[in-house]
Amino acid sequence: AQTVTQSQPEMSVQEAETVTLSCTYDTSESNYYLFWYKQPPSRQMILVIRQEAYKQQNATENRFSVNFQKAAKSFSLKISDSQLGDTAMYFCAFMKQKGAQKLVFGQGTRLTINP
Amino acid sequence: KAGVTQTPRYLIKTRGQQVTLSCSPISGHRSVSWYQQTPGQGLQFLFEYFSETQRNKGNFPGRFSGRQFSNSRSEMNVSTLELGDSALYLCASSLERLETQYFGPGTRLLVL
Repeated sequence: AQTVTQSQPEMSVQEAETVTLSCTYDTSESNYYLFWYKQPPSRQMILVIRQEAYKQQNATENRFSVNFQKAAKSFSLKISDSQLGDTAMYFCAFMKQKGAQKLVFGQGTRLTINP
Repeated sequence: KAGVTQTPRYLIKTRGQQVTLSCSPISGHRSVSWYQQTPGQGLQFLFEYFSETQRNKGNFPGRFSGRQFSNSRSEMNVSTLELGDSALYLCASSLERLETQYFGPGTRLLVL
């Protein structure tokens, strides 16, 4: 079974700073997807970024980028120039590319951006 | 394009009752998955539907069931509600199976 671990329950940074959220996972699969979702206080789960395991290049989406280390099974999210609107719970998630369409989530990191 | 919609947004029920939650996927999306979110257990997979068929089910009792209609809309039903069923129920849709899932706003269920 796959597991996802987020070791930082809470983080807090000042606006405009850069912050990195950690995620490790365990799987015997070779092909899979990794995701970061954010869940602001409104509770709507929003996709931040996606990484396909077969791609060596790290995914980026504007101020959001990942550091994907497949051998180490590590998938961290870097947020540059953080904004107040980035305040949210951030979930790392894993999904196999075959079989059950099932996202396996970490426990989440509560990120607070302070003015 | 409209996002995933879920109705109702909030629901209060008493123990022993049953409840039906509805999910309309993004237009053109054929796969729908359901998740339960609680403070204690986090986000847990309930089931996945594609082409009106349940493809996979998570580790939940038989009181939890669902279905998908020909227009890809999905419903989930919980019978004989228990206090522990209080949770945020999230629906997610994807274009096809095993693709990126996009979530709805959720239905918050409170069981008294």
